[in-house]
Amino acid sequence: GNSVTQMEGPVTLSEEAFLTINCTYTATGYPSLFWYVQYPGEGLQLLLKATKADDKGSNKGFEATYRKETTSFHLEKGSVQVSDSAVYFCALSPDQGAQKLVFGQGTRLTINP
Amino acid sequence: EPEVTQTPSHQVTQMGQEVILRCVPISNHLYFYWYRQILGQKVEFLVSFYNNEISEKSEIFDDQFSVERPDGSNFTLKIRSTKLEDSAMYFCASRQARVLHFGNGTRLTVT
Repeated sequence: GNSVTQMEGPVTLSEEAFLTINCTYTATGYPSLFWYVQYPGEGLQLLLKATKADDKGSNKGFEATYRKETTSFHLEKGSVQVSDSAVYFCALSPDQGAQKLVFGQGTRLTINP
Repeated sequence: EPEVTQTPSHQVTQMGQEVILRCVPISNHLYFYWYRQILGQKVEFLVSFYNNEISEKSEIFDDQFSVERPDGSNFTLKIRSTKLEDSAMYFCASRQARVLHFGNGTRLTVT
């Protein structure tokens, strides 16, 4: 079946630190991969995506590369800001059927000034 | 930018009561979804809807749940007889290409 595993949180960093949130997946076929972000009190917002192997998604300084050989889609940012504090969800969408999203458990990130 | 809107933002109900959660998907999207997130837990798929019928549903989506698109713009989730364990944040989403766009959610509290 399809599943997503994220690194356990919570993660606490200082402003301007380097961020990595690990994500690995199990899927049949050729899924698309996503990172969604949930700011306090808000819904889920798409942060970035990649639809095929070796694609790099990027947005707002965040990057993730679709690695089929390691079944990974790790999220990185070179210098985090206090405003990046949120819960980050890795997700996959199968290439068949209703293409529903399968989410990881989420990683809560807190950035201290 | 078009967005998915959900109402109400917070619903409190008593166990055994029926609730209807409402969503207005983005107008030119064709695929619609409901997800839920129990406090502190994973976001879970409930159901997908296309061409006026359910295309896929999870084990969570039992006979107590139903979905409807009554008028071409609204997309509703009904829970017939709520249980305490139905307390969660419910998210509606609509899809274009392979990207799901989510609403801000309805927090359902069952007492």
